[in-house]
Amino acid sequence: NAGVTQTPKFQVLKTGQSMTLQCAQDMNHEYMSWYRQDPGMGLRLIHYSVGAGITDQGEVPNGYNVSRSTTEDFPLRLLSAAPSQTSVYFCASSTTTAGLGEQYFGPGTRLTVT
Amino acid sequence: AQTVTQSQPEMSVQEAETVTLSCTYDTSENNYYLFWYKQPPSRQMILVIRQEAYKQQNATENRFSVNFQKAAKSFSLKISDSQLGDTAMYFCASRPVGRGSTLGRLYFGRGTQLTVWP
Repeated sequence: NAGVTQTPKFQVLKTGQSMTLQCAQDMNHEYMSWYRQDPGMGLRLIHYSVGAGITDQGEVPNGYNVSRSTTEDFPLRLLSAAPSQTSVYFCASSTTTAGLGEQYFGPGTRLTVT
Repeated sequence: AQTVTQSQPEMSVQEAETVTLSCTYDTSENNYYLFWYKQPPSRQMILVIRQEAYKQQNATENRFSVNFQKAAKSFSLKISDSQLGDTAMYFCASRPVGRGSTLGRLYFGRGTQLTVWP
């Protein structure tokens, strides 16, 4: 199993540009989510999905869109990048069944918006 | 909703010594999980230890153990025999169990940067 993969690892954008951060998992997990990590802020939830075709907003959704057409993929779209979106982005997945609830994280994408 | 507070932005400990990282949380959920994640300079999030709220017994994973005080809503992490490789940012997190809009999401504290020195 590759686990959770994210591409790219690093990205620099100019203000106003758009891009998609890719996330894929091969563990057949129903639940997937996107977090952003900023210094001194911990990780904050952007969007999440409890299954294909179902998405919802998290704590900081503004400026981001998501879709979930397959169980495996959960891309995050920045429609018009802003300097405030400079951050490290993590994708995570887990099962939604009862259990210890561990979330598996991807390696992260460091995004800089100039 | 849940909130997680880590009151120690930075800590340091000498190699082979023991250190305790503090975490408190607030929740209205009846059942939840608690976690400690480690983030080394590689920025990969690594699960260190986890605790189910309905279990009174404190979780232990090798040199890592927790002190879970449910009534006080406290979940501290103790690292024994600290090693240089333990140097990392440590995040405390909680996760509600059950259905609803909070299903599955993790609530993170702001992290504690631990430095282990020789």
